[in-house]
Amino acid sequence: ETGVTQSPTHLIKTRGQQVTLRCSSQSGHNTVSWYQQALGQGPQFIFQYYREEENGRGNFPPRFSGLQFPNYSSELNVNALELDDSALYLCASSLEQGALTGELFFGEGSRLTVL
Amino acid sequence: GENVEQHPSTLSVQEGDSAVIKCTYSDSASNYFPWYKQELGKGPQLIIDIRSNVGEKKDQRIAVTLNKTAKHFSLHITETQPEDSAVYFCAARPTGFQKLVFGTGTRLLVSP
Repeated sequence: ETGVTQSPTHLIKTRGQQVTLRCSSQSGHNTVSWYQQALGQGPQFIFQYYREEENGRGNFPPRFSGLQFPNYSSELNVNALELDDSALYLCASSLEQGALTGELFFGEGSRLTVL
Repeated sequence: GENVEQHPSTLSVQEGDSAVIKCTYSDSASNYFPWYKQELGKGPQLIIDIRSNVGEKKDQRIAVTLNKTAKHFSLHITETQPEDSAVYFCAARPTGFQKLVFGTGTRLLVSP
């Protein structure tokens, strides 16, 4: 167990809808990252939040957005859902301290199916 | 940007054998290389990592080696057990960037 919890575990949406995924980071961690994992592939970096601000973004369109709260929990929002958004969405927390690279610990993920 | 290649895509071994998974990376500025194990329906679990100032790291049956000159790193699992069966991912993190770049994964099957 990593201490990173995600909700919901599974959900089904239709094209054009919006979805919000939630993540609670491991105790003591100040940074949250979100990854998208399509079936049979490795996770792809969406973005990272540190001190409630976006601190790096991968090659994802603006309809992917996020928030980090003062307790370091986070949300991933996806608007105007497309079929290709069907994937496992992974939240990972870490303790970032300046230039020191923190180990990344993943939650179990939220599996999104878009019909 | 960074690109990570991983081989083989599938690996079948008998219980007790050793397994080796290899990855290459493209960005010489990468300085952190973790390995993750992902079981069916679960998130990736960090099993071992290595930083660029170290050539080898070992944790019980698992070891990782890093060759910075050749830009490749490998995962070695000795005395494999059926519970080692899973998908393994390597990753690299470029200096100054926040993201991990993952390989495509290796499905390891350990037969009793």
